[in-house]
Amino acid sequence: GAVVSQHPSWVICKSGTSVKIECRSLDFQATTMFWYRQFPKQSLMLMATSNEGSKATYEQGVEKDKFLINHASLTLSTLTVTSAHPEDSSFYICSAPGTGLFSNQPQHFGDGTRLSIL
Amino acid sequence: GDSVTQMEGPVTLSEEAFLTINCTYTATGYPSLFWYVQYPGEGLQLLLKATKADDKGSNKGFEATYRKETTSFHLEKGSVQVSDSAVYFCALSDSNNAGNMLTFGGGTRLMVKP
Repeated sequence: GAVVSQHPSWVICKSGTSVKIECRSLDFQATTMFWYRQFPKQSLMLMATSNEGSKATYEQGVEKDKFLINHASLTLSTLTVTSAHPEDSSFYICSAPGTGLFSNQPQHFGDGTRLSIL
Repeated sequence: GDSVTQMEGPVTLSEEAFLTINCTYTATGYPSLFWYVQYPGEGLQLLLKATKADDKGSNKGFEATYRKETTSFHLEKGSVQVSDSAVYFCALSDSNNAGNMLTFGGGTRLMVKP
């Protein structure tokens, strides 16, 4: 079964709305989580690394004020797309490095969130 | 820096055809190599992996062998099914990187027709 839960799976909202996406590690703790963005028919682009108890590390070109990341606990990271506009429409995927019994692969991925801004 | 290059898609095959998706890499350390599969509307699932040279990863009929001499990790399957239609990503995790960072290839879309 899934070891990383991402919610919601699909969001449709009006321009100017802020949207929060949650990423939870199930059955293991994750001091680090990753947020990716995927454009249609393209590969994953790392947006930021979420760190529990400290600020997120953003990749070059990613707007920190647009994509707010909060790593509230050892099992939860959230990505908030603030004042979303149509160009923010995309597929967002989170992942968490596995630990303990889940260390068989470097990252476990959520099922993604499709964000559509009208 | 690290990079992964895989053949562009889409790859269109008939059911029961042989599949090869090429993947080559460059890395500064001693990478582990992975193939991930993404079904429509979903996240990535680990398909197989190899952690050192000459290792062969296999799962669900798919295989890939870690070839250090050619820096390759080609994905193969002897007889594809319609249910194999998905996007396949080759990736590496470099021992020189902290935090289990992954470097992805561009992805290859596979379409299998009945």
